Amino acid sequence: DAEITQSPRHKITETGRQVTLACHQTWNHNNMFWYRQDLGHGLRLIHYSYGVQDTNKGEVSDGYSVSRSNTEDLPLTLESAASSQTSVYFCASSIRGRNEQFFGPGTRLTVL
Amino acid sequence: AQTVTQSQPEMSVQEAETVTLSCTYDTSESDYYLFWYKQPPSRQMILVIRQEAYKQQNATENRFSVNFQKAAKSFSLKISDSQLGDAAMYFCAFLSNNAGNMLTFGGGTRLMVKP
Repeated sequence: DAEITQSPRHKITETGRQVTLACHQTWNHNNMFWYRQDLGHGLRLIHYSYGVQDTNKGEVSDGYSVSRSNTEDLPLTLESAASSQTSVYFCASSIRGRNEQFFGPGTRLTVL
Repeated sequence: AQTVTQSQPEMSVQEAETVTLSCTYDTSESDYYLFWYKQPPSRQMILVIRQEAYKQQNATENRFSVNFQKAAKSFSLKISDSQLGDAAMYFCAFLSNNAGNMLTFGGGTRLMVKP
């Protein structure tokens, strides 16, 4: 079955380290999104992509980067992890022209 | 920019009863969609129901229905015959076709269901 997966599911890292969170979807969706979820804020958009080689900044993009080298994957990189980036991260995807987004299971990241 | 507000941090309902979760939004767009997502303790985000702004008829999905008041920018979720499995966080979300298919979420409402 087609799906969207995230890895790792849990990650603990130290301040200043580079961290990469993986997102992989097998639906062949054009659009992919990264959100972070913090208490009281719902989910907020970090970065998004409409296709290969396309990336765009979202509402809370500072300190994060993404790259889209193929349709299936949109890895999220924290260049130098900060305690303020402790959060739950969700990846989502959707078909071009359709607005329903499908979410991955989330990654809980703790920065000590 | 769009904003979505859920004014009820927590709600509780007796099993088999009906509960309504509130959501208001602010936008200058005319072509948009509204969603309710459910997030159980597993953290998985599950789409419950969606509403197209151009449709006057309120969306329904089994025990879930919405009251969409476009002029008031209100989008409430009604859960009928509440079940223990309905206990979760519920998020209201907005998407504009003119703003790149990105979702803007409210802060969430935690629903507790009492047996």
